[in-house]
Amino acid sequence: QLQLQESGPGLVKPSETLSLTCTVSGGSISSTSYYWGWIRQPPGKGLEWIGSVYYSGTTYYNPSLKSRVTMSVDTPKNQFSLKLSSVTAADTAVYYCASSYLELRYLDYWGQGTLVTVSS
Amino acid sequence: DVVMTQSPLSLPVTLGQPASISCRSSQSLVYSDGNTYLNWFHQRPGQSPRRLIYKVSNRDSGVPDRFSGSGSGTNFILKISRVEAEDVGVYYCMQGTQWPYTFGQGTKLEIK
Repeated sequence: QLQLQESGPGLVKPSETLSLTCTVSGGSISSTSYYWGWIRQPPGKGLEWIGSVYYSGTTYYNPSLKSRVTMSVDTPKNQFSLKLSSVTAADTAVYYCASSYLELRYLDYWGQGTLVTVSS
Repeated sequence: DVVMTQSPLSLPVTLGQPASISCRSSQSLVYSDGNTYLNWFHQRPGQSPRRLIYKVSNRDSGVPDRFSGSGSGTNFILKISRVEAEDVGVYYCMQGTQWPYTFGQGTKLEIK
């Protein structure tokens, strides 16, 4: 069974870039069977799909965030990452990484989530 | 984007009683391959979401059979036949038919 764990700074200053990494265990990041995604949840609010990345590097970004998002895969480290630029307080949220088996749309396994606060 | 609207937003239920959550989409969720990509997730307090049901009515492994999903087109329902204490938390529907995939605003189930 896959396990995913997010890591990265819990505090980011406005206008800077948020950077998170998701470490995958129990499976290979280069598997052709999985898509790797990021979803966020502002405090007390609902879920928003930020985007996903395939092992090949193909990315699928939410158009609402596309201009600020970069996702990538690090095969040797069995990790994938999220970068969100020019952050504001509205980007304060719990960020989850998740996997989708065979198709992008499923979100089978989730990490525990990490809270990122945007504040000076 | 496809807007997912859930009701009710708050659902107080007595233990052992049934519960039902409605999810409506702003567009049909029938994909070009004929499938309807509507998932249900459950998020317990302080935990990450866990998928319960995919493609409208397919229960995930380990999900009790008191959970069932139904619906078609733009109207979907999640039913719990007999609520147990471990069912508290927030339930989200999610459409996987049209990118960007979107979630409902969530229904908070609590025990009366």
